[in-house]
Amino acid sequence: GAVVSQHPSRVICKSGTSVKIECRSLDFQATTMFWYRQFPKQSLMLMATSNEGSKATYEQGVEKDKFLINHASLTLSTLTVTSAHPEDSSFYICSAPTGGRAFFGQGTRLTVV
Amino acid sequence: KQEVTQIPAALSVPEGENLVLNCSFTDSAIYNLQWFRQDPGKGLTSLLLIQSSQREQTSGRLNASLDKSSGRSTLYIAASQPGDSATYLCAVDSTTSGTYKYIFGTGTRLKVLA
Repeated sequence: GAVVSQHPSRVICKSGTSVKIECRSLDFQATTMFWYRQFPKQSLMLMATSNEGSKATYEQGVEKDKFLINHASLTLSTLTVTSAHPEDSSFYICSAPTGGRAFFGQGTRLTVV
Repeated sequence: KQEVTQIPAALSVPEGENLVLNCSFTDSAIYNLQWFRQDPGKGLTSLLLIQSSQREQTSGRLNASLDKSSGRSTLYIAASQPGDSATYLCAVDSTTSGTYKYIFGTGTRLKVLA
C-alpha cells in the first residue's frame, strides 16, 4: 500500500515555543491531507483539512492561529503548533488519500513541558 | 451529526478464543468504513475497509461485516493470539461521495492472554 511518513515521531518542547510536524506522501501525490488529534484515552478527532496551494479548512473549535497548516507541495503538509502549552500535549496524526482510501502516518507524540 | 460508538470499551480473553468487536454509527449515509489497529503510542494500521455497497471483507483471521441500514459493523477475530492485543478503532467516511475525512469510534482495548 501507499506510504505516508510523519516526522518527528516524538517531540518534547518548552511551553511558549512552536513545533512543526511534517507529513509526507512518499509514493503518491496528495492534493488533500488531513490532520487528527488524539488526547489520552480518547479517540481521534479531525482537526483540519490541508489543501495544496490554498488555505486549510479547520473543524469547529480548532484555532487556526494556533495550528498553522501549510501544504506547499503535492507531497508535503506541515502542522505548526504555535506558542505551545501543556494542554496542547497530544498525539497528532496525518492522513492522505489515494486509490480510494486514506493512509495514515505513524503519528507524532507532542509533550509540552 | 454522525456519531460512532464501539462496544465493549475493553475486552480481555484467553488465547484461542473467537471474538467480536462491535461498531455502531448513527447516520447510515456513509461512503466506507475502516477498521484500524492501534498499538500503544503508535500510529494506525488499517485492517479492513468496507465500501458502502459491500457487506463484508476478510483478511486472514479477520472478518468485518457492514449492515448500513442498521448502522452497524462487526469485526470478527478468529483464534485470537497475544499479538492481537491492541486497541481496535472503527471509522466512517461519513459522506455519500467520499471525502476521506473519518469519524472515529472510541475504540475497543483488547487484551489476549497467553
